[in-house]
Amino acid sequence: EIVLTQSPDTLSLSPGERATLSCRASQSVSRNYLAWYQQTPGQAPRLLIYGASSRATGIPDRFSGSGSGTDFTLTISRLEPVDFAVYYCQQYGTSSITFGQGTRLEIK
Amino acid sequence: QVQLQQWGAGLLKPSETLSLTCAVYGGSFSGYFWSWVRQPPGKGLEWIGEINHRGTTNYNPSLKSRVTISVDTTKKWFSLKLNSVTAADTAVYYCAINPGGEMAGWGQGTLVTVSS
Repeated sequence: EIVLTQSPDTLSLSPGERATLSCRASQSVSRNYLAWYQQTPGQAPRLLIYGASSRATGIPDRFSGSGSGTDFTLTISRLEPVDFAVYYCQQYGTSSITFGQGTRLEIK
Repeated sequence: QVQLQQWGAGLLKPSETLSLTCAVYGGSFSGYFWSWVRQPPGKGLEWIGEINHRGTTNYNPSLKSRVTISVDTTKKWFSLKLNSVTAADTAVYYCAINPGGEMAGWGQGTLVTVSS
């Protein structure tokens, strides 16, 4: 099973700043099958990025994903108030899907 | 656009069987995998397993001995059963569509509480 470790656990930033969230895999993620999700309180997660760098339908272009192999990054170029939430990475390169533990993005 | 609507019992006693069903509205039912994911209160996401329209399944190894996911293609439903539940199974359970492994759409979630 691939273990995903996200860092930091909590990120405190202000609106307008740039956010960089990391996801590191315990082994290489096949075909860069890595997704990112945003979750706000009481809501189901929302798919942001799949295939490490492809934005899902309707996702603003301030969200971008990058990386390959074992190291992946989600970047939010200029934070808006609605972006403060919990973010999860997920790998689907094996038949046993796993999620990272999450990064909480909070307002500074 | 695919929409998912899920339902099932929200309060169970230890040792009982959790049973949830998810209906798929709009879009194609075949050609995708359909997943169950859970989230204990205040914690992260845990994938439970998936099934496709042919009934091919993949399960989380840590839950495999207690989980059964089934599909009814005529009704466009898929279901989750988790037996011998304990308090550790208390969570919000979500169904989801995974076209390529990523979870592109989610049900509304069902809080299942296990308590004596």
